[in-house]
Amino acid sequence: GENVEQHPSTLSVQEGDSAVIKCTYSDSASNYFPWYKQELGKRPQLIIDIRSNVGEKKDQRIAVTLNKTAKHFSLHITETQPEDSAVYFCAASGNDMRFGAGTRLTVKP
Amino acid sequence: DVKVTQSSRYLVKRTGEKVFLECVQDMDHENMFWYRQDPGLGLRLIYFSYDVKMKEKGDIPEGYSVSREKKERFSLILESASTNQTSMYLCASSLRVSDEKFFGPGTRLTVL
Repeated sequence: GENVEQHPSTLSVQEGDSAVIKCTYSDSASNYFPWYKQELGKRPQLIIDIRSNVGEKKDQRIAVTLNKTAKHFSLHITETQPEDSAVYFCAASGNDMRFGAGTRLTVKP
Repeated sequence: DVKVTQSSRYLVKRTGEKVFLECVQDMDHENMFWYRQDPGLGLRLIYFSYDVKMKEKGDIPEGYSVSREKKERFSLILESASTNQTSMYLCASSLRVSDEKFFGPGTRLTVL
């Protein structure tokens, strides 16, 4: 089955800086890669996703890149704000979906 | 707007008790999932169901069972709760198994 590794486990940045979270996956059949944000005490919610026929996708301050050959994908957040503080999960999905262990992002004002 | 609800936000039970966690979704999704969330371990799949009365084991099914008698409702059962089952339990649903998941608010279960 699929195995997803996510790094770093914690990330602290100054407001306005960029943040990058990286994930690798094992199953070459995976073709859908969502990212979820979980604020404290709330449910995980999808913030951006990418499918395997695309190398990059942007939505305002967030972007995701995918390298299928190397089996890794990354989340990029630019101009970080305190409200970006949360736990972020990556996932990889083919026949089923598996999640990374999560990254706790703290944006210091 | 997809709504996934869970029967309790917080639950405290004693070792050996039988525990039921219930999840309801209102989007007519075929697929429903139960995850366990622990710090540093992410979201681990316990069981999922792709149709009424159908179920599949996830990565950590030991000590748990599930029931899906109606399409909108998926129950997680701890037959005999143990302290190592103290955790946050998240239910989710999706249109297809590998699609975007819609999560419930979670149930924080403490087993004493």
